[in-house]
Amino acid sequence: QVQLVQSGAEVQKPGSSVRVSCKASGSTFSSYSFTWVRQAPGQGLEWMGEIIPIFGTTHYAPKFQDRVAFTTDESTSTAYMELTSLRSEDTAVYFCATRYCTTTNCYLGYFDPWGQGTLVTVSS
Amino acid sequence: EIVLTQSPATLSLSPGERATLSCRASQNVGSYLAWYQQKPGQAPRLFIYDASNRATGIPARFIGSGSGTDFTLTISSLEPEDFAIYYCQQRGDWPPMYSFGQGTKLEIK
Repeated sequence: QVQLVQSGAEVQKPGSSVRVSCKASGSTFSSYSFTWVRQAPGQGLEWMGEIIPIFGTTHYAPKFQDRVAFTTDESTSTAYMELTSLRSEDTAVYFCATRYCTTTNCYLGYFDPWGQGTLVTVSS
Repeated sequence: EIVLTQSPATLSLSPGERATLSCRASQNVGSYLAWYQQKPGQAPRLFIYDASNRATGIPARFIGSGSGTDFTLTISSLEPEDFAIYYCQQRGDWPPMYSFGQGTKLEIK
């Protein structure tokens, strides 16, 4: 049973950076992919990008390309999302998720399970 | 960028009724479409993938259909626990540039 546990809520000032962690358990870390999705208060889901450690690849949504970085640490089975130059519009819950697997196949581009979410508040 | 448009924005129905949710893609995504359910304060959960396959543990009353640009999620007979927000999501792009629809809120009438 794959589980993703995220770090706790953050309050950051405009112009600063935030790093959210996502610790995985229940499967071989190298087999994971990690997608990051955010949800502003009362709004829908917004795909930010993904990192696939086994391929050594990252893909970022154009909106975040210049401000976000995804990394992983296999020694701790943890993925990280860092967002820089924060502004008030970045206030949101940030989710990590991994690729969905059945007993026979894994599907890049479909996401389950998800972490519990991390609220990032940007306020002066 | 592929844009997904969901309709209606809100659907008000009673338990036992049939729900039909729509998702339209701005470009052909083949069958590479998923549906997620999200309840307040919770993370989304995958319900349907590849347009019509139910994810593990999803009841048979959830039926996905469609291909190309037009997709439908049908809930054949609503249970109280089905009232939530549903999002469609495409994985038709390469390199990956996934996107979600804006959601349909399914509420109790």
